Amino acid sequence: DADVTQTPRNRITKTGKRIMLECSQTKGHDRMYWYRQDPGLGLRLIYYSFDVKDINKGEISDGYSVSRQAQAKFSLSLESAIPNQTALYFCATSERDDNEQFFGPGTRLTVL
Amino acid sequence: RKEVEQDPGPFNVPEGATVAFNCTYSNSASQSFFWYRQDCRKEPKLLMSVYSSGNEDGRFTAQLNRASQYISLLIRDSKLSDSATYLCVVNMGYGQNFVFGPGTRLSVLP
Repeated sequence: DADVTQTPRNRITKTGKRIMLECSQTKGHDRMYWYRQDPGLGLRLIYYSFDVKDINKGEISDGYSVSRQAQAKFSLSLESAIPNQTALYFCATSERDDNEQFFGPGTRLTVL
Repeated sequence: RKEVEQDPGPFNVPEGATVAFNCTYSNSASQSFFWYRQDCRKEPKLLMSVYSSGNEDGRFTAQLNRASQYISLLIRDSKLSDSATYLCVVNMGYGQNFVFGPGTRLSVLP
């Protein structure tokens, strides 16, 4: 089984709808991250969490919110989706900031 | 200036070629450095960490130049399976976050 899983893998939705992307990990890491990837822009950090009670905004948090339900679960919500939120979304975990990040397989979100 | 910049690419090279990628970072306080590989429509995966003394893993060699704030990745004897996008990643440590470069795409041609 994969160490970091994301659901759904693909989602098409309409402008104004509320969407939740879920991430679960079995690596036992405290640190979890949400990124979005757009062509030519690389990965940009949306939110990150260093433990269940510690949630922080990243570079592009506007229009997004998160919930850290447990050490293993970190959800990303789009309260009212808009077309420029169409992107590939990745969840990641790490043990520390000086070692490897492990990524989930990604969620491809299309907002029409 | 972007925090992490990479060669724009794409690089198209024949099998067996040697190819080098460069990456520059703007924050001199950066502590940790990595190269990740990302296949099309897949998640990034760690290729190698980059250490101050430089390090090698098979056909891959990574170098760090702190004074000039750049990192390089050398791939020798390129294989078709090396075709991917290579991401430079930097972390300032002390609770800071990973910053990703935009990536450089490599296509190894038969």
